[in-house]
Amino acid sequence: AQTVTQSQPEMSVQEAETVTLSCTYDTSESNYYLFWYKQPPSRQMILVIRQEAYKQQNATENRFSVNFQKAAKSFSLKISDSQLGDTAMYFCAFEWGAQKLVFGQGTRLTINP
Amino acid sequence: DVKVTQSSRYLVKRTGEKVFLECVQDMDHENMFWYRQDPGLGLRLIYFSYDVKMKEKGDIPEGYSVSREKKERFSLILESASTNQTSMYLCASTKAGGGGYTFGSGTRLTVV
Repeated sequence: AQTVTQSQPEMSVQEAETVTLSCTYDTSESNYYLFWYKQPPSRQMILVIRQEAYKQQNATENRFSVNFQKAAKSFSLKISDSQLGDTAMYFCAFEWGAQKLVFGQGTRLTINP
Repeated sequence: DVKVTQSSRYLVKRTGEKVFLECVQDMDHENMFWYRQDPGLGLRLIYFSYDVKMKEKGDIPEGYSVSREKKERFSLILESASTNQTSMYLCASTKAGGGGYTFGSGTRLTVV
């Protein structure tokens, strides 16, 4: 079975700092997607970044980047120059051939002014 | 610009009632999903559908059923609501082949 683990239930940083959220997963699949989703207080789940397992290059989206370590089954999210609007729950998720997403437990991130 | 619409944002129902949660997407996606979200547990898959009139059980289907009569609409049914079904329910869709979901804004259901 595929599992996703986020070991940090809560994190808090000051505005403009860099923060890294951790995620590990377990699978025997070789082709899959990994995602980070953001869920602000509005509850709308927003796709932050996507990584395809066959691509060695780490994905980046503006201030958001990932460190994808396939052998270690690790997929961390780095947020640079954090902003107050980054305050949200962040979910790591794994998708394979069946297009079902398996989610981690979530990390509540607070950006303090 | 809303692409996945859930009919209710908040819902309060009584124990034993039959509850319908509706989800509509306008992106012509083949796949649709229902998840429930509980603190500390993340999102757990209840049911999903790859096509009209098709349905598959997810990880926690007990106490739920679904209906997909049209491609754009996927309904979650609680046959006899119970207090342990108090939760946030999220609908999502994706095109065939996957690559990322589009989510609705969720329905917070309280069963009293």
